[in-house]
Amino acid sequence: ILNVEQSPQSLHVQEGDSTNFTCSFPSSNFYALHWYRWETAKSPEALFVMTLNGDEKKKGRISATLNTKEGYSYLYIKGSQPEDSATYLCAFKNTGNQFYFGTGTSLTVIP
Amino acid sequence: NAGVTQTPKFRVLKTGQSMTLLCAQDMNHEYMYWYRQDPGMGLRLIHYSVGEGTTAKGEVPDGYNVSRLKKQNFLLGLESAAPSQTSVYFCASSTQGSRLDEQYFGPGTRLTVT
Repeated sequence: ILNVEQSPQSLHVQEGDSTNFTCSFPSSNFYALHWYRWETAKSPEALFVMTLNGDEKKKGRISATLNTKEGYSYLYIKGSQPEDSATYLCAFKNTGNQFYFGTGTSLTVIP
Repeated sequence: NAGVTQTPKFRVLKTGQSMTLLCAQDMNHEYMYWYRQDPGMGLRLIHYSVGEGTTAKGEVPDGYNVSRLKKQNFLLGLESAAPSQTSVYFCASSTQGSRLDEQYFGPGTRLTVT
């Protein structure tokens, strides 16, 4: 069993706060690390795909970093807005082309 | 452009019944995946396909069969449903298996086995 762990499990922040969450994954057989945003009653949508150690990706107020040697990725949201409320999933893709998902971090932004 | 669609959206089965879930994509993607999502657990890969006519086992394949007779369709079958297969099933597709390929997900099928 391959463990991908996300922390915290849930988070409540005030509008305007910045926040971050963690995804931990095995450092061996690494191929890619995906972040997805999953809104209630919708399907997961890809935010970032990262492949290289030290990768940093940014989309608006959301950014992510990757450390493949120690097996973690951080997702940052700057100045959280209510529309950022969602579950954020990370998925580890190994060299066998299989995906292993974490259980997600549920973010609630309070207006 | 519908993306990834799943049929049906909801289904209730009795133990021992069989059914097939259909996933269709109109993006000409090579790779397709079936996942199940259970409370407190991440999405778990059941089976996947790297192209028409091919299938492979994922993390939790037992009790399921799949077929990819056409590139755009990926079918998930339950031959004899069990209560442990009560779950939400998601289909996904991606262009190829390259590092940068992201997955596109369908809306999910909620299956209850009584």
